[in-house]
Amino acid sequence: DAKTTQPTSMDCAEGRAANLPCNHSTISGNEYVYWYRQIHSQGPQYIIHGLKNNETNEMASLIITEDRKSSTLILPHATLRDTAVYYCIVRPAVYNQGGKLIFGQGTELSVKP
Amino acid sequence: GAVVSQHPSRVICKSGTSVKIECRSLDFQATTMFWYRQFPKQSLMLMATSNEGSKATYEQGVEKDKFLINHASLTLSTLTVTSAHPEDSSFYICSARPAGRLTYEQYFGPGTRLTVT
Repeated sequence: DAKTTQPTSMDCAEGRAANLPCNHSTISGNEYVYWYRQIHSQGPQYIIHGLKNNETNEMASLIITEDRKSSTLILPHATLRDTAVYYCIVRPAVYNQGGKLIFGQGTELSVKP
Repeated sequence: GAVVSQHPSRVICKSGTSVKIECRSLDFQATTMFWYRQFPKQSLMLMATSNEGSKATYEQGVEKDKFLINHASLTLSTLTVTSAHPEDSSFYICSARPAGRLTYEQYFGPGTRLTVT
């Protein structure tokens, strides 16, 4: 699976947009970009995923560059409850490799009042 | 929908004893479940992939005789830590992938915190 690089930590003011970058320069054509987050002492929570088009759901937006070598997760109006570690994961479609997820170190996002 | 539970949420056991952790998919069937371990301030590490009705596949470096995995039904997988030692103290998390469709999401349980004294 392609390796991802994320900043170790970021701060964001409550109510502002949080933009979390992820670099995946070795991504291959059949690999998707997934985002999960983990609030302290809880299991990870799925946020969003995409292949090459930008995606949006009720939680966030995912912007993937045209060359697919990087992406940005956007939380449009961050709240204190969005404080968590955010993981960007690149992996093939689920029918390859049994669908396992390999977590990197992630970005620790702190939303401040 | 798509809720995964784990039991117990916390467990303390003495060194040398065994402890079983259950992972259940409450409102869906899961042919595949995954077990992760997470030490403090570290990321999740995949331990094994559990397939219903067959032997689990362990990641490199994970002792299959120490971490026994059973996936006896489409809604239940268990992880048994045998002869536990203090270094096995960790946060154990399972996830489940719904059966029967090409879904990309995995649904994670809330985790089990194991402390070995």
